[in-house]
Amino acid sequence: GESVGLHLPTLSVQEGDNSIINCAYSNSASDYFIWYKQESGKGPQFIIDIRSNMDKRQGQRVTVLLNKTVKHLSLQIAATQPGDSAVYFCAENPSGTYKYIFGTGTRLKVLA
Amino acid sequence: AAGVIQSPRHLIKEKRETATLKCYPIPRHDTVYWYQQGPGQDPQFLISFYEKMQSDKGSIPDRFSAQQFSDYHSELNMSSLELGDSALYFCASSQNWRGNTIYFGEGSWLTVV
Repeated sequence: GESVGLHLPTLSVQEGDNSIINCAYSNSASDYFIWYKQESGKGPQFIIDIRSNMDKRQGQRVTVLLNKTVKHLSLQIAATQPGDSAVYFCAENPSGTYKYIFGTGTRLKVLA
Repeated sequence: AAGVIQSPRHLIKEKRETATLKCYPIPRHDTVYWYQQGPGQDPQFLISFYEKMQSDKGSIPDRFSAQQFSDYHSELNMSSLELGDSALYFCASSQNWRGNTIYFGEGSWLTVV
């Protein structure tokens, strides 16, 4: 992904509300996608993944939606909690490659 | 469960020096990836190895090299360090035959002064 410097897009939500984080991916040949959560100074933590033959996948409190037509992913977090505050990245894996391309991160701030 | 282990966690080097970062993948993982992340930036893919062979290459400078050894651990060698190399370097691993989910280590902080 392109560098966005120190000014990451920020989403502020009230505790208990649902959060929706969006991601546009770049490569139409990508067939596997992962959402990661990254806390300050730590490594990206796997949240949920989805393959291109699906358009929706649910986990515990999280849902990922994939729209291949417009190359768009979203991550929905239900009943957002303070511990969800972090930067969220989507990553795409172009088919047949051994690399993951990260999209622009979104900083999620949960307001008490 | 065992995770990806990176060492050292913190490293301070002077310009033009050399640094080596090590990565120990999750047991039975055969693929290793290296990423560089500057402050407030997205992780940038550098290079990956599958079964000890380079599998993909990204924006890795010519001053950097990496390899994967017979025990699947990997090392990233960085020479002629520049101030702009200061970043958090992540290693990730996956078990390729089971799919592509990659898991990250906690990173190595490199500061070049």
